[in-house]
Amino acid sequence: EPEVTQTPSHQVTQMGQEVILRCVPISNHLYFYWYRQILGQKVEFLVSFYNNEISEKSEIFDDQFSVERPDGSNFTLKIRSTKLEDSAMYFCASRGEGLGSPLHFGNGTRLTVT
Amino acid sequence: AQSVTQLDSQVPVFEEAPVELRCNYSSSVSVYLFWYVQYPNQGLQLLLKYLSGSTLVKGINGFEAEFNKSQTSFHLRKPSVHISDTAEYFCAVKGDSSASKIIFGSGTRLSIRP
Repeated sequence: EPEVTQTPSHQVTQMGQEVILRCVPISNHLYFYWYRQILGQKVEFLVSFYNNEISEKSEIFDDQFSVERPDGSNFTLKIRSTKLEDSAMYFCASRGEGLGSPLHFGNGTRLTVT
Repeated sequence: AQSVTQLDSQVPVFEEAPVELRCNYSSSVSVYLFWYVQYPNQGLQLLLKYLSGSTLVKGINGFEAEFNKSQTSFHLRKPSVHISDTAEYFCAVKGDSSASKIIFGSGTRLSIRP
């Protein structure tokens, strides 16, 4: 069964550095998402992406964040200048057509900002 | 806008006992409902979904959920739990437009005692 893959599984960075989290969604999916889960807390929506543009973003997704689909397979989340509070698990997800089609999640990237 | 409430942050049960994890939602439009499970150090896996039709939906691992429109609930049940069901369970809701994001509840940690 096709799956969403995320790399790296764990990223450690210093405060103020830029990080890029990478995702390969399921190949025939058209809708892409990033979610964040701070340790022990709920899964929070960051951004959705469709047709090469952002569909919706949350208030968490400020100017420090950006997303890109640089080619036909990758979907990236960039944090320009990381802060301590950006430490979290970041999940990429994708879904197919159909209003009720569920999200398929990757295993996440654990970002630790020191 | 949609929202999801999971009233129980933790539910301890004995092995082979039945369990119910509660979920209530609010929405001004028709919704699609989901339950996801997160095992330790893993991503989110779809357990089941309600799109339309029969209000009782069956999912993987012996779980089922019942959609109750009048009570705006979508409780998850299993008649007999196993140690392997120990995980975090998230209820989620999506509005009926293609651009709607999926919103997650705060999660319920199910712990199984032998």
